[in-house]
Amino acid sequence: DAKTTQPNSMESNEEEPVHLPCNHSTISGTDYIHWYRQLPSQGPEYVIHGLTSNVNNRMASLAIAEDRKSSTLILHRATLRDAAVYYCILRVYGSSGSARQLTFGSGTQLTVLP
Amino acid sequence: NAGVMQNPRHLVRRRGQEARLRCSPMKGHSHVYWYRQLPEEGLKFMVYLQKENIIDESGMPKERFSAEFPKEGPSILRIQQVVRGDSAAYFCASSPSQGNTIYFGEGSWLTVV
Repeated sequence: DAKTTQPNSMESNEEEPVHLPCNHSTISGTDYIHWYRQLPSQGPEYVIHGLTSNVNNRMASLAIAEDRKSSTLILHRATLRDAAVYYCILRVYGSSGSARQLTFGSGTQLTVLP
Repeated sequence: NAGVMQNPRHLVRRRGQEARLRCSPMKGHSHVYWYRQLPEEGLKFMVYLQKENIIDESGMPKERFSAEFPKEGPSILRIQQVVRGDSAAYFCASSPSQGNTIYFGEGSWLTVV
C-alpha cells in the first residue's frame, strides 16, 4: 500500500484556520485519500475523503494537489474541540469497487491554543 | 441513527481469563472491522468480517484471538487466556458495504492485571 507522510505535530490558535499537510508521492490512480481524526480516549472519527477534486463538508475541506502526490486538510476555524490526532490514509480500491481496510500511520497531533 | 456500539467500554481481566468484546454495527451495515491500539501506539487492523464470514484476518494474532459476526446479534472479538500484553483499546468499525466509508465505535478498553 502507498504510504503517507505527515508532520508529527502542529499547533494552531483558536478561531484560526488550520492546514494539515499530507504527502503521498507513491499514490496510485485508484487510491482515495481519507482523513480521520482521533480525540483522546475516543475512536477514530471520519472527517472527509476524496479522489481528485477538492471536497468540502461540514467538518472540513480537502484540497488535493493536481498531481495527487499531496493533499491538505483544512479546518476553517479551529476550536479547542478540534485538538486530536489527524490521520491521512490512502485507501486502495479494486476495479470492482472493493476496498481494503484502512491502514493508520502515526498521524499529526494537532494542538489548539486558546 | 445510532453509531457503532461497543461494550463493555472498560473491561478488567486477570491473566488467564477470557475477554469478550461486543460490537453492534450501525444500522444497515453488514461489514465489521476490528482494530487494536496498544498504549502509545497506532491503530492496527486485526480482522474484517461480513455476516457469518471472515473476509480478512491477516492482522489477527495466530493464537488465543478469534472473531465472529453471526447472522443475528453483534460481532464478538474473543481473547482467550489473556496476558498483560493484550491490554489495549479495541475499536470496532462498520460500513454498509466493502468500499464504503468506515465508521468507528468508541472502543473497548481492556486491562489485564
